[in-house]
Order: sequence, then C-alpha cells, then structure tokens
Amino acid sequence: AQTVTQSQPEMSVQEAETVTLSCTYDTSESDYYLFWYKQPPSRQMILVIRQEAYKQQNATENRFSVNFQKAAKSFSLKISDSQLGDAAMYFCAYLVGGAQKLVFGQGTRLTINP
Amino acid sequence: GAVVSQHPSWVICKSGTSVKIECRSLDFQATTMFWYRQFPKQSLMLMATSNEGSKATYEQGVEKDKFLINHASLTLSTLTVTSAHPEDSSFYICSASLVADTQYFGPGTRLTVL
Repeated sequence: AQTVTQSQPEMSVQEAETVTLSCTYDTSESDYYLFWYKQPPSRQMILVIRQEAYKQQNATENRFSVNFQKAAKSFSLKISDSQLGDAAMYFCAYLVGGAQKLVFGQGTRLTINP
Repeated sequence: GAVVSQHPSWVICKSGTSVKIECRSLDFQATTMFWYRQFPKQSLMLMATSNEGSKATYEQGVEKDKFLINHASLTLSTLTVTSAHPEDSSFYICSASLVADTQYFGPGTRLTVL
C-alpha cells in the first residue's frame, strides 16, 4: 500500500527566511504524481505545487519549490522568503497515475515568526 | 479558475436529523468528486469517490447508508448525513477533479450534532 510520511509535525521559521518541509513516500509504481497542499486557519485546502514523477525537473511556483528525489522517494517543499501568510498546515500527497485516490501525509504545521 | 464551493459552511443539527451538504464546481465540469472527513489536528480521510451519473464508491469502514452521496450533474455532488449523531460531528471537505490527476478542494463544512 502506498504511504506518505511527514516526519515533522511542527516547524517554525523567521519571516523572510527559508524553510524546508520533508516528505517521503512508499510506492512500487512508476507513474504517479506528488502534491503539496496548504491548509491555513480557514481550513481551505489550497494546491501549492504539483510534480509528475516522470519529470526530472523540480517543480517551482514563485517562492515555492520542491526537491524531488525519485530514487530516494523523497519530495521536500522549500519555501523561500517566508511570509506571515505562509503560516498553515502543509500536507504532502501522492496519487497513482490513472487512479483517483489521493494519499495524504499527516501534515506539518508551519509557524512564521515575525 | 478551478473553484469549488460548499454549502453550508457550518451547520448545527439535532441528533437523529439528516443534513445535506452541497459541493459545486463553479467554473469547470467535474466528472469525479470526492468527499473527505477531517478530525481536529488530523489529516484528511477519504470517505467516497463520486462519479457523475453513477453510484459512489465508498472507502472501507464508511457506512454508505449513513453517508448518502449523489452526483447528479457534472457540477454538483451532495453528501447527506442521515440520522446524524454526535459522533458524526466533524469537518467535511469535498474536492473535484479538473484533470485526472489534480483535485481542487471546497472550503469545507463544519457539522455539529447536538
């Protein structure tokens, strides 16, 4: 069974600094997708970034980038120039290609210190 | 783009009554919608997958007679919690697929059963 593990229940960072959130996953599939979702206090789940496993290039979205290490089954999220609005729960998620079921990690609560 | 709405955003009901939650994709047609449940400080738990015009597929352990799902159109899915009890109190989130591998989430519905 596919599993997603986020080993950091909580992280904190000073405003304007960089923080990296860790995620590892377990799968025997070769075709899959990985996601980072953000859930702020409003509890609205927001897609932050998406990575196709067949792409070697790491996905980036403005201040958000990933370090995708396929062999190590690692998918970390780097947030640069952290802003107060980045404070949220971050969930790593996995989806097998052609399937529909997202598998979520346990989440990492990120605090931004002003 | 890819906006999903939910209604109501919160609801309080008496034990034994039924509650209906609506999930709408506002600017796209979603062939597949998903219903999740989230307990405080926990990750999302998939309850069921709903395809337009067909019966929902429920995850193991989810009572299909208690959580009725209807997906009558490409933009609307409903979750009805029948004969609600206090243990059904939770945060319910729907999502919809725009493309097969990416889900966009609604803002969630907080259900409190007295």
